[in-house]
Formats: sequence, C-alpha cells, structure tokens
Amino acid sequence: EIVMTQSPATLSVSPGERATLSCRASQSVSSNLAWYQQKPGQAPRLLIYGASTRATGIPARFSGSGSGTEFTLTISSLQSEDFAVYYCQQYNNWPLYTFGQGTKLEIK
Amino acid sequence: QVQLVESGGGLVKPGGSLRLSCAASGFTFSDYYMSWIRQAPGKGLEWVSYISSSGSTIYYADSVKGRFTISRDNAKNSLYLQMNSLRAEDTAVYYCARSVAGTLLPWGQGTLVTVSS
Repeated sequence: EIVMTQSPATLSVSPGERATLSCRASQSVSSNLAWYQQKPGQAPRLLIYGASTRATGIPARFSGSGSGTEFTLTISSLQSEDFAVYYCQQYNNWPLYTFGQGTKLEIK
Repeated sequence: QVQLVESGGGLVKPGGSLRLSCAASGFTFSDYYMSWIRQAPGKGLEWVSYISSSGSTIYYADSVKGRFTISRDNAKNSLYLQMNSLRAEDTAVYYCARSVAGTLLPWGQGTLVTVSS
C-alpha cells in the first residue's frame, strides 16, 4: 500500500497571505496525485489532478506542483472561503486509492 | 448537472447489516467506474470499494473485504454497497463518487452509518 503523509497537520495563515501544504508518498506515484478541499459538513471537492492541473471552476490562486514522492499545494492570497481541510490522494495504484490524513487550514 | 445522492444510512447494531444506495444523474452512468469512500467522525478519508463500468471488476479495501459487497444496476443508474457483519469501526459517513481518470469527481453528499448497541 502506498502511504500518503501530509504536513503540517494544521496550518494557521492570515487572509491575504500564501499557504503552502505538503504531501509525501511512500513510493513514487509519478504525477498521479490529486488534491481535494473539504469544508465542514460537506463532501470533498476536487481541486487539482495530475499534480498540477486545476479542475474545472477552481480559481487560479490554487496551484499544485511536484512529482514522484513530493508534492505541494499552494494557495496564494487566501480568501475566507479557503479555510478548510485539504487532502491529497494518489491514484497511481488505481483503483486502490489512498489519501493523506489531511491538513487543516485555519485562520490566524 | 452531474449529481450523486446516497441513501440507506442509519443506526445498526454490531453484527448487523445495511444496504447503501447511490442514485446517479446528469451523466451516462454505465460509462463510468464508481467508488465508495468513507470518513469516520472527525477523521480522514478511506477508500472502501471500486466497481468497473460493467461491474465485472471489483476491488475492496482490506478492512471491509469479505463483509461488504459493491454492485451496480446500470439500468437504474444506481450504485450499491451491501454491508454485513458491521463493527463499531465501520461508523462513518459513506460517500459514493464517480471515478474519472483516477480522480473522484464528483462526490455525493454522504450518508451516515452508525454501528452501536
């Protein structure tokens, strides 16, 4: 099983600032990496796939990078609606998907 | 628009059974692979099961193998998860999601399963 590890567990950032979230895979997943956003009481929403491609309707302030085992989700100029939990997910070993444990992005 | 709506959750005693359903609309259901994912209260996401578009290929997480059965009825645009021998650790919100090139898009709103005596 491919283990996904996200850091930090909680990130405190002020509105308008940049947030950088990390995700590490226990073995290479190539670029088969997605990021999801989950707000309280809601289902996860796909943000990024292929490590760096934004899903339809996702604002340009969200960007993804990385390949192999190290990945980053960057949110430039945080808006109030961006405070949520973010999960990375590998699909290199599809359909045996695995998720990271999540990073909670909170208002500083 | 593409929509997935789960139903069938509820309170069940340990050792009991429950059948979840996921009604799909807004897309050609028979063209897509589907998955179930769950989220225990206050915890992260755990993939549970996958079924191919025809239903001929199925996978399960080790944690549910032998107890859960995924199925689909393409004529009814519906996905199912039969859950038997339920345990307290199966308590979670269960989501269905469409698999698109490996990603999960979209997700349903989820249905809560509580296993407790």
